[in-house]
Amino acid sequence: NAGVTQTPKFQVLKTGQSMTLQCAQDMNHNSMYWYRQDPGMGLRLIYYSASEGTTDKGEVPNGYNVSRLNKREFSLRLESAAPSQTSVYFCASGDRAKIYEQYFGPGTRLTVT
Amino acid sequence: QQQVKQSPQSLIVQKGGISIINCAYENTAFDYFPWYQQFPGKGPALLIAIRPDVSEKKEGRFTISFNKSAKQFSLHIMDSQPGDSATYFCAARGMTTDSWGKLQFGAGTQVVVTP
Repeated sequence: NAGVTQTPKFQVLKTGQSMTLQCAQDMNHNSMYWYRQDPGMGLRLIYYSASEGTTDKGEVPNGYNVSRLNKREFSLRLESAAPSQTSVYFCASGDRAKIYEQYFGPGTRLTVT
Repeated sequence: QQQVKQSPQSLIVQKGGISIINCAYENTAFDYFPWYQQFPGKGPALLIAIRPDVSEKKEGRFTISFNKSAKQFSLHIMDSQPGDSATYFCAARGMTTDSWGKLQFGAGTQVVVTP
């Protein structure tokens, strides 16, 4: 099992460019999450999906959109990147019955210049 | 606003010593309190978790202490080893309709264990 995979690992964007971060899990989890990690801020939830076909905003959703493509895949889109979106992005998944345990991907380091 | 406050931001401990990280929460609508460990360049991974009806939970060298009345919980790493050098995050799981299934994370503590 690969667990949670994310692509790309690194990305540099110019202000105003768009991109999609991809995430997939092979653990048959219902719930999936997107977080951003910034120094001194911990992990902040951007969006989450409790199950296939549903998505909900987290703490910092502005500037992002998500798509829960199917049970395995959950993508995060930046429509018009801004320097404030420079961060490390993590995707995670979890079982609804044990939702304090989330499994994280390796992260995507995004720099917006 | 950060609903889970974590301290210290960083700590250095000698091999064999005890590392202590503290967290405090404001909202009472949490029902699980996990700790995550993150090594450089990796995603966080669950280390240990506790429910609020338990005052202490121990797994190997890692112990969570929970004080429900004070709304505080802490992680103790006994006999700290260089391999424990990592960033540790406390978290709290929401239990209201709006927050169910979501984790609120503390800001993280970078632990360095010196040989």
